[in-house]
Amino acid sequence: AQKITQTQPGMFVQEKEAVTLDCTYDTSDQSYGLFWYKQPSSGEMIFLIYQGSYDEQNATEGRYSLNFQKARKSANLVISASQLGDSAMYFCAMREDYFGNEKLTFGTGTRLTIIP
Amino acid sequence: DSGVTQTPKHLITATGQRVTLRCSPRSGDLSVYWYQQSLDQGLQFLIQYYNGEERAKGNILERFSAQQFPDLHSELNLSSLELGDSALYFCASRGGLTDTQYFGPGTRLTVL
Repeated sequence: AQKITQTQPGMFVQEKEAVTLDCTYDTSDQSYGLFWYKQPSSGEMIFLIYQGSYDEQNATEGRYSLNFQKARKSANLVISASQLGDSAMYFCAMREDYFGNEKLTFGTGTRLTIIP
Repeated sequence: DSGVTQTPKHLITATGQRVTLRCSPRSGDLSVYWYQQSLDQGLQFLIQYYNGEERAKGNILERFSAQQFPDLHSELNLSSLELGDSALYFCASRGGLTDTQYFGPGTRLTVL
């Protein structure tokens, strides 16, 4: 089974609208971390937001928030008031906290296009 | 700017050759991670170093090796290159007080 699933290969959203990018994960660990990264066409990977499995509050960073639903194993990224510069690939990733593991496992990504 | 630097930005070489990719982590970060991003495999973890020692290995081919030096910079060596090794290679670093891995700009390797 895929550890990280992003079911939306591509999305088109009107500028200034909010957008939700879906991410579900699969782990049997109680302790883990969830991340979202943005990859613009220039190629770099930009960290957006982090949620720990024991965090009770949903993480927020400026216009980004993470809708964490532990029982459903979902960690959706919400971007409020989208901007043209938000057009990029978005990757959800997980770090499982078993001994000796720090690697990130990534989903296949969602390509977001903001329409003016 | 994440604070992680990678050189070179682009590398074009031929099959059978050997290349070295270099990474300088953020100041003070002891952990360095290498990832490969290719069209068919997506983003995959290759290897991790912590303060000069290998900490974890992922899907890294035997033709690939890495090391982390006393000044904490790291190098990824790719040898006997094949067409399928063409990819974007990322280095990331993490400090002790954060859960987040910060990525460098990547090295785009093209094998012809």
